Amino acid sequence: EAQVTQNPRYLITVTGKKLTVTCSQNMNHEYMSWYRQDPGLGLRQIYYSMNVEVTDKGDVPEGYKVSRKEKRNFPLILESPSPNQTSLYFCASSLSFLSYEQYFGPGTRLTVT
Amino acid sequence: ELKVEQNPLFLSMQEGKNYTIYCNYSTTSDRLYWYRQDPGKSLESLFVLLSNGAVKQEGRLMASLDTKARLSTLHITAAVHDLSATYFCAVASGNEKLTFGTGTRLTIIP
Repeated sequence: EAQVTQNPRYLITVTGKKLTVTCSQNMNHEYMSWYRQDPGLGLRQIYYSMNVEVTDKGDVPEGYKVSRKEKRNFPLILESPSPNQTSLYFCASSLSFLSYEQYFGPGTRLTVT
Repeated sequence: ELKVEQNPLFLSMQEGKNYTIYCNYSTTSDRLYWYRQDPGKSLESLFVLLSNGAVKQEGRLMASLDTKARLSTLHITAAVHDLSATYFCAVASGNEKLTFGTGTRLTIIP
């Protein structure tokens, strides 16, 4: 089944404790992206990747890191999480850089206390 | 900086009626996307519009793009309860960033 998976789905952590949210797709997609969703703000793009080893900042990259060492995986790293990073995070992928529909993962709800 | 505005933000409409959601954006783009999100769920892609004048239809939903006016519309025909959801438009900028509107929460009432 074609899908985008994210782990964990739910995470409660404390300020400053490094964490990684994994994202994996099995569709051989080139484009992958991370978004955060906050009430009243819609979705905002954090980072995106056009292909392996090619990443770029979205609108809200501060406090986040990403890597794209393999085509299928695009982990989101929070080196020192803060409470303002409490949010719902979505990973998405598409066949190429946005000429096709995006497939979204199920979401990761992160709470930083 | 690209800004994307949707209106209305909230829409309550009766079954069987027609209505339109509007998506305006601030800078030149010829790629616009519509998504649907059910409560507590992820996003589902509805339409990809890649050129001026593009029109796509799926069931009771029809989306169009006017790049000169920087406007896309999502038209709902003869609404049914199953269409209740939040609808987002998103616009791609030249450097492959994607900017979303804040969403339109649509409620279809009997």
